[in-house]
Amino acid sequence: GQQLNQSPQSMFIQEGEDVSMNCTSSSIFNTWLWYKQDPGEGPVLLIALYKAGELTSNGRLTAQFGITRKDSFLNISASIPSDVGIYFCAGPLIQGAQKLVFGQGTRLTINP
Amino acid sequence: EAQVTQNPRYLITVTGKKLTVTCSQNMNHEYMSWYRQDPGLGLRQIYYSMNVEVTDKGDVPEGYKVSRKEKRNFPLILESPSPNQTSLYFCASNPGTEVNEQFFGPGTRLTVL
Repeated sequence: GQQLNQSPQSMFIQEGEDVSMNCTSSSIFNTWLWYKQDPGEGPVLLIALYKAGELTSNGRLTAQFGITRKDSFLNISASIPSDVGIYFCAGPLIQGAQKLVFGQGTRLTINP
Repeated sequence: EAQVTQNPRYLITVTGKKLTVTCSQNMNHEYMSWYRQDPGLGLRQIYYSMNVEVTDKGDVPEGYKVSRKEKRNFPLILESPSPNQTSLYFCASNPGTEVNEQFFGPGTRLTVL
């Protein structure tokens, strides 16, 4: 069954607004990953988190590894049109394993 | 250019007609995976391979086969496709044990009538 739950499933915002999304799990994860999928393309890794409580930035994106190890958050500041896409959280169920599980995705739409 | 390529990009077929989706990477990566993406479900792993001749099931392997005869290629085989295998398929590769370094292909949209 689905291991990771993302919220919200979709967002409609104005250009320039900040965006927040989160990902929760009933299981503990030791690595949290955030990917972005542009329309018609495969996912691309945005941020990887390896330590509980860790806060990592990549330009206007900031992600946090929750201290319970069961959640993670992604924030986008001052959104721009190219931020449109689907954002996925993901993680390996077993550390070091090649088996990766994904959340359902958050679809971001931006009105210019 | 470092990349993962998939062929075909789009395929419409009929129930029961065997098909193969090819995947190739030019980065000499050890690990390769196949995923399917369905609305509301995100990406789910079908099979993965840790090296030549070493493959293992992911979360949704039923109805699929894979092979890894060469390091660069990891084809996905549907022996008898059914409509519930209509989906968007992604191949991915990564160089080492850190699965987060995965590089995804552009996707193959499959429709089974």
